[in-house]
Amino acid sequence: DAKTTQPTSMDCAEGRAANLPCNHSTISGNEYVYWYRQIHSQGPQYIIHGLKNNETNEMASLIITEDRKSSTLILPHATLRDTAVYYCIVSDSDSWGKLQFGAGTQVVVTP
Amino acid sequence: GAGVSQTPSNKVTEKGKYVELRCDPISGHTALYWYRQSLGQGPEFLIYFQGTGAADDSGLPNDRFFAVRPEGSVSTLKIQRTERGDSAVYLCASSLGRWMASPLHFGNGTRLTVT
Repeated sequence: DAKTTQPTSMDCAEGRAANLPCNHSTISGNEYVYWYRQIHSQGPQYIIHGLKNNETNEMASLIITEDRKSSTLILPHATLRDTAVYYCIVSDSDSWGKLQFGAGTQVVVTP
Repeated sequence: GAGVSQTPSNKVTEKGKYVELRCDPISGHTALYWYRQSLGQGPEFLIYFQGTGAADDSGLPNDRFFAVRPEGSVSTLKIQRTERGDSAVYLCASSLGRWMASPLHFGNGTRLTVT
């Protein structure tokens, strides 16, 4: 079973920030939080990952709460091309590569 | 640069037949992974290679499934005596190595339909 809980779906207006929540209340100290997304008919695409600190790259920002039991992926300016299923995954070095994807959040960006 | 390439993109086969699915990883990536994705679900891990050897095959559903990576680059997933329940998208991914900062790069998958 997946170690994370995400909303089934979210709508977002084009040009606005999209904030995608993820609960991982049973996360252990050596587990990282990873985000991938999957656009229709394509393979999953890596977005970002973090352990404790907030992270930012060219695609998104990742905000992890101090107790690490939840996190939020932020797409700062959503575009129509960001419509996809977004997966929040926790993984440690022992299980690296054996990612447990879960069902993810279907994000639809509307004009 | 070139990403992970999977061929064929679509494969239709009859129940009981044998199929091979091919994966060309990103050049220089030592780790290679196979996943399976059924309709409406997230991908599920099948097997992981580090170099030529299968480091973890705990996700293979049964002994009809087998994968090889003889030269540490291209990998082939082989399914014997296919069943209708094997119908799914088979995804391949590669990474520079097996460490936390090395994300998986996925191909677009092979859609297998068993009739």
